[in-house]
Amino acid sequence: DTGVSQDPRHKITKRGQNVTFRCDPISEHNRLYWYRQTLGQGPEFLTYFQNEAQLEKSRLLSDRFSAERPKGSFSTLEIQRTEQGDSAMYLCASSLERAGNTIYFGEGSWLTVV
Amino acid sequence: DAKTTQPTSMDCAEGRAANLPCNHSTISGNEYVYWYRQIHSQGPQYIIHGLKNNETNEMASLIITEDRKSSTLILPHATLRDTAVYYCIVRVATPNSGNTPLVFGKGTRLSVIA
Repeated sequence: DTGVSQDPRHKITKRGQNVTFRCDPISEHNRLYWYRQTLGQGPEFLTYFQNEAQLEKSRLLSDRFSAERPKGSFSTLEIQRTEQGDSAMYLCASSLERAGNTIYFGEGSWLTVV
Repeated sequence: DAKTTQPTSMDCAEGRAANLPCNHSTISGNEYVYWYRQIHSQGPQYIIHGLKNNETNEMASLIITEDRKSSTLILPHATLRDTAVYYCIVRVATPNSGNTPLVFGKGTRLSVIA
């Protein structure tokens, strides 16, 4: 069990550029979640997938954000025209759909917009 | 919004038990109590969860009151490495009702002191 893997771990980008983060969930996990966390705050839910279907999107997920999970395995989170307010840690998590399931998190991808 | 209330911070002497309280007075019958912790700059780490009964694993014990309106996470012998933010979360986790994403509050910052 290799755990949830995220790439890159750190990204510095200029304002206005696009960035993409990748998440590889735990093998066989059919649910995949994206969260965002800013300094001093708890993680905030952005969106989640069951297999390749995107089931829920938070109001935090503006039009500049798009997430995909094309084959129900890995997922990407793209931020277009980045703004300084997008600076945060982006967390990916995965779980297996069953009663009382556990959601496991990756180590996060840090984004700094300068 | 988070449906739990936790103290902002707590201290614990190394080697002693750390007892972290959580109030969830509006919990529903199909909601589980989950505990996660987050060590600085890392992704949240799953600790334990339960529905009605007390639970124990290699990391901690979870004590849920009979009316389920509050719970306590117990770290039996706290070490310096247990210094972290601890999150108590209530969550629907039954497939037929629709497993819901985790909603984090601000958590309790536990400082273990030598």
